[in-house]
Amino acid sequence: DTGVSQNPRHKITKRGQNVTFRCDPISEHNRLYWYRQTLGQGPEFLTYFQNEAQLEKSRLLSDRFSAERPKGSFSTLEIQRTEQGDSAMYLCASSESGSGTDTQYFGPGTRLTVL
Amino acid sequence: AQKVTQAQTEISVVEKEDVTLDCVYETRDTTYYLFWYKQPPSGELVFLIRRNSFDEQNEISGRYSWNFQKSTSSFNFTITASQVVDSAVYFCALSGFGAGKSTFGDGTTLTVKP
Repeated sequence: DTGVSQNPRHKITKRGQNVTFRCDPISEHNRLYWYRQTLGQGPEFLTYFQNEAQLEKSRLLSDRFSAERPKGSFSTLEIQRTEQGDSAMYLCASSESGSGTDTQYFGPGTRLTVL
Repeated sequence: AQKVTQAQTEISVVEKEDVTLDCVYETRDTTYYLFWYKQPPSGELVFLIRRNSFDEQNEISGRYSWNFQKSTSSFNFTITASQVVDSAVYFCALSGFGAGKSTFGDGTTLTVKP
């Protein structure tokens, strides 16, 4: 399988707990993106990496959110002290900046439900 | 700031009808990309097409066609002879050249009835 993969696909947690999601990009892609999507809305940008460097973070990314891409391959997104408002689909995408097109290919997402 | 507007929230058609999904965008960038993605009920966003701002040639791929008009900041998507399998949410997106992140519209839910 050469597509973007995300784990877990679903996560149910209680308010106040920490959660961590993982994204494995397409192997030759150097850019990796995180988006959040709520019902009836389009994906909203959270952050992106080029190799291991985090190049941009949205204001949506509060201090409770942290993302890493330590070796320039997979990435993790951690949410600390989850709140009910964090319930959403978290989407990961990857692209190859060297191709000049930056077309982003998306994974299946992780659906987070905070009770 | 960039903005993408998909004014049609929901569209319902009967199979074999043609349908056009509208997309209007705002950007201060002189060079940018426009995209269309499909999100079927399974949830995964599927890339359909990318358009460069300096290339206004329309494109046709099978039953799909795209009309890019820079003068009106629009990038509309037409499905000819729609099929039930076309039922999905369709998103238009905008990205500055080399900018990384994309700005998405809120999507248009297309329902194709048999």
